[in-house]
Amino acid sequence: DTAVSQTPKYLVTQMGNDKSIKCEQNLGHDTMYWYKQDSKKFLKIMFSYNNKELIINETVPNRFSPKSPDKAHLNLHINSLELGDSAVYFCASSQGGGLTQYFGPGTRLLVL
Amino acid sequence: SQQGEEDPQALSIQEGENATMNCSYKTSINNLQWYRQNSGRGLVHLILIRSNEREKHSGRLRVTLDTSKKSSSLLITASRAADTASYFCATEPIYNQGGKLIFGQGTELSVKP
Repeated sequence: DTAVSQTPKYLVTQMGNDKSIKCEQNLGHDTMYWYKQDSKKFLKIMFSYNNKELIINETVPNRFSPKSPDKAHLNLHINSLELGDSAVYFCASSQGGGLTQYFGPGTRLLVL
Repeated sequence: SQQGEEDPQALSIQEGENATMNCSYKTSINNLQWYRQNSGRGLVHLILIRSNEREKHSGRLRVTLDTSKKSSSLLITASRAADTASYFCATEPIYNQGGKLIFGQGTELSVKP
């Protein structure tokens, strides 16, 4: 059973397009996160949600909009994609903050 | 925001040898965690050490934490080819909101058979 799943796994798109990445966790956790990993493998938190409420918004451009329809899902919509958005995006979840986080397999986004 | 620094950036050893990776951080923390990332995969949690702990063991892993020096080390004993991966430390700042973890830039470990 997949604990944290993301779709799609790969995303290749043109500059200026709008795209979404979906994340689901079946662990019953109440906190979910989005991270961005750049080409140098540096991993940085973007957002965290607790019970559908936004807790962390780490100075991410407004083009990125997370949405949590319920506590098992956290989607990421990106408007007007730019070349610099190319990265691997990871979803993660935990039971509460500051505890072990469980990561999804990542979505590899390439903006051409 | 501040992030941890890992040292070395890359480490290549023979199977059976021990691997030691170090992590330094800048802010006061509640806990420090180590994660492994295999190539093309997500991160997997290895071990968590709280700020009031000095050493922790899990199987072949040994983690130490020195809060006075703001540093931690991860030791993998009797390494195996399957240990080849990137290893990241992550700190939970003491002012933490919402489970924020600050990740280091990772150590790439290569274990040659």
